Amino acid sequence: AQTVTQSQPEMSVQEAETVTLSCTYDTSESDYYLFWYKQPPSRQMILVIRQEAYKQQNATENRFSVNFQKAAKSFSLKISDSQLGDAAMYFCAYRSPTGIKDSGYALNFGKGTSLLVTP
Amino acid sequence: NAGVTQTPKFRILKIGQSMTLQCTQDMNHNYMYWYRQDPGMGLKLIYYSVGAGITDKGEVPNGYNVSRSTTEDFPLRLELAAPSQTSVYFCASKGRNQPQHFGDGTRLSIL
Repeated sequence: AQTVTQSQPEMSVQEAETVTLSCTYDTSESDYYLFWYKQPPSRQMILVIRQEAYKQQNATENRFSVNFQKAAKSFSLKISDSQLGDAAMYFCAYRSPTGIKDSGYALNFGKGTSLLVTP
Repeated sequence: NAGVTQTPKFRILKIGQSMTLQCTQDMNHNYMYWYRQDPGMGLKLIYYSVGAGITDKGEVPNGYNVSRSTTEDFPLRLELAAPSQTSVYFCASKGRNQPQHFGDGTRLSIL
């Protein structure tokens, strides 16, 4: 089974500054998908960004971008111009490309990183 | 669009009681999932379904059962509640070439 590791239980950033959250994963597959989810205190799971492993270009969504290093099996999330509303738990997740034979495209999650944003 | 709807949002059970967590989606998605989230942990897969009538175990299925009689509904059944099942439960669905959509979760406490 693929494992996802988030080595930073907590991170803190000042408003308007930039922060990077780390994620590494273990897999023997060559084609897969990676995701970052945000979970605010409301408990909702909100998709922030996703990356397809066969694409070399790093995904970007407004203030959120990733640094995808396939050889190193690293998938970090950069949040630019941090805002108070960015405070949340952030989860990195892995998904196999195969469906029927591998948990129907279910996600493997890391343990999460709690992000605190200070004024 | 309602998306993925879970009921109830909160529930307290006594040890040994049974209950069903309801999940319904209105997006005509074939894939549905149940995850649990323990404090300080990521989500772990309990059961999943690739279509009506087809279900399979995930990483942590013990103590749970599911059914999928329709495309829309994917209930999760706890037969004999145990303290170890205290958790937040998330239902999710997925359509073709789409990411997973999550419900708002059910917080379950077993005392």
